[in-house]
Amino acid sequence: DVKVTQSSRYLVKRTGEKVFLECVQDMDHENMFWYRQDPGLGLRLIYFSYDVKMKEKGDIPEGYSVSREKKERFSLILESASTNQTSMYLCASNYIGSYNEQFFGPGTRLTVL
Amino acid sequence: RKEVEQDPGPFNVPEGATVAFNCTYSNSASQSFFWYRQDCRKEPKLLMSVYSSGNEDGRFTAQLNRASQYISLLIRDSKLSDSATYLCVVNAGPGNTGKLIFGQGTTLQVKP
Repeated sequence: DVKVTQSSRYLVKRTGEKVFLECVQDMDHENMFWYRQDPGLGLRLIYFSYDVKMKEKGDIPEGYSVSREKKERFSLILESASTNQTSMYLCASNYIGSYNEQFFGPGTRLTVL
Repeated sequence: RKEVEQDPGPFNVPEGATVAFNCTYSNSASQSFFWYRQDCRKEPKLLMSVYSSGNEDGRFTAQLNRASQYISLLIRDSKLSDSATYLCVVNAGPGNTGKLIFGQGTTLQVKP
């Protein structure tokens, strides 16, 4: 079974803190993705990576950065957390190719106070 | 215009009912299509892929109309356990292999 894990299920941080969200997949997938999900807005892509050290901006990259030093691990970084970054963050991965489903981690619910 | 549009619902139906969800997409270059299911406070999971010829998996039938850029999901004999949000998903097209575009989701509530 494909497994995508995320470092925390729930996280509470203060405004201005630096926040790291970690994602690990065990299926040797080339692609990894970070989304945020908010009520009424659906899933929005923040960043994705198709290879180690490669990254591409998604639809809402402002306020975020990412790191992919190893194939199995993709980190999302909030340099200075703000209250409008309170959200559910979902990591996903898949093989490169046009016909491949994405597999999701369980999500991290981040609250920024 | 959103790249993938769905009626958010909610659809409230009694057990045993047949319910249909529709979805339209804007990128004619999209090559693969999926329905995902997301339970409350859980991650999305693949329900089924959608093929041009249409496909069925038990009580679930998916259809694709490329000319109209339209995807549908039919659920027959609804169960309480079908209550969830159903996400229409298309790939981003050539050059974005693996990248998927998610609709906002349609919420289904099956009542006893």
